[in-house]
Amino acid sequence: DTGVSQNPRHKITKRGQNVTFRCDPISEHNRLYWYRQTLGQGPEFLTYFQNEAQLEKSRLLSDRFSAERPKGSFSTLEIQRTEQGDSAMYLCASSSWTGGSYNEQFFGPGTRLTVL
Amino acid sequence: AQRVTQPEKLLSVFKGAPVELKCNYSYSGSPELFWYVQYSRQRLQLLLRHISRESIKGFTADLNKGETSFHLKKPFAQEEDSAMYYCALYTGTASKLTFGTGTRLQVTL
Repeated sequence: DTGVSQNPRHKITKRGQNVTFRCDPISEHNRLYWYRQTLGQGPEFLTYFQNEAQLEKSRLLSDRFSAERPKGSFSTLEIQRTEQGDSAMYLCASSSWTGGSYNEQFFGPGTRLTVL
Repeated sequence: AQRVTQPEKLLSVFKGAPVELKCNYSYSGSPELFWYVQYSRQRLQLLLRHISRESIKGFTADLNKGETSFHLKKPFAQEEDSAMYYCALYTGTASKLTFGTGTRLQVTL
């Protein structure tokens, strides 16, 4: 286990198509986060899971977006009916949350989505 | 709502010169501040956090609650410091990081 992995690393799709990204967190990390980063911006929070429960979703996450973490291990992020505005880097991060203050989030390499 | 501002998109300094990357935040509660760094072709990684009050790779950052700032400093810049730096705010209730827009540090000979 060399860290958080994400697949695919790059995805080019046509407007209106559905896409799905996968994130494999560091083993035994109970929290998993999704962020989106557009050009010239910092990462923006989308949603996070604690084990298999999705505990928070950002207003950025429209109805076309859905995320799952069915067994509390890997997670998928699906975008339906993609739009050009969805073009961005999608980052996944994981952490071992033990309560209290911040536990370091470890980031994956990201999936770069281009919607034509 | 919380907000992080990094006013400089690019900071270019000569090797050996002092570096200061600015970060201001807006948050009504008790903040936890971080600096993340992304070197070329590498993933985002934690550089330092304010509560640890330690120096990492010669960088330090002090939380100034009066000025709501968390500037990153290094007395003598090195070429290997060239990277993208993001200031981030963690709010425990929301369990998420709020990032600034980032500053690209370019260290030249």
